[in-house]
Amino acid sequence: DGGITQSPKYLFRKEGQNVTLSCEQNLNHDAMYWYRQDPGQGLRLIYYSQIVNDFQKGDIAEGYSVSREKKESFPLTVTSAQKNPTAFYLCASWDLDTQYFGPGTRLTVL
Amino acid sequence: DQQVKQNSPSLSVQEGRISILNCDYTNSMFDYFLWYKKYPAEGPTFLISISSIKDKNEDGRFTVFLNKSAKHLSLHIVPSQPGDSAVYFCAASGGGNAGNMLTFGGGTRLMVKP
Repeated sequence: DGGITQSPKYLFRKEGQNVTLSCEQNLNHDAMYWYRQDPGQGLRLIYYSQIVNDFQKGDIAEGYSVSREKKESFPLTVTSAQKNPTAFYLCASWDLDTQYFGPGTRLTVL
Repeated sequence: DQQVKQNSPSLSVQEGRISILNCDYTNSMFDYFLWYKKYPAEGPTFLISISSIKDKNEDGRFTVFLNKSAKHLSLHIVPSQPGDSAVYFCAASGGGNAGNMLTFGGGTRLMVKP
């Protein structure tokens, strides 16, 4: 089955630790995206990548980093510099005129 | 500055009636609009879209209307069903943005009562 997978579904980390969220897609899509959703709010773009080995900052990139070494994978690292890391993180990829989303990862920093 | 706004954070509708979700935008260069449905703790799922060359697009119970002069779009769900209860996001693309980026509204929580 083609799709976007994010793992794990729930993630807990201690304050001050870096954590990496996984995003994999087997849809052969070139463009991939990371969003953050906070309670009662819309989706805000963190980073996006249009092609392998290239990525651009979104609206709220501070405290985050990404890599795009393979077309299928776009991992997001939440660093200790991110002041409010607890949120629901969504990965997406682009096909034709539509973005398709993964199931999301709920990150809680204790 | 929010370029895409959903001014109603929530909407409650009786089962079988029409649900109308509204969305306004400010960037006249947006040329493609999408609606997504989202359940708690899940990723958004694509519902329906419309290009700026059209003013209406219909898919089953879902119809999206676009009024370019008013920079307004709406999603109509007829008849509404309890399973439609979710958060609905409108999104827009174009607007001079590179990378096929979408700009999302803040979402409207729809509750369909049996």
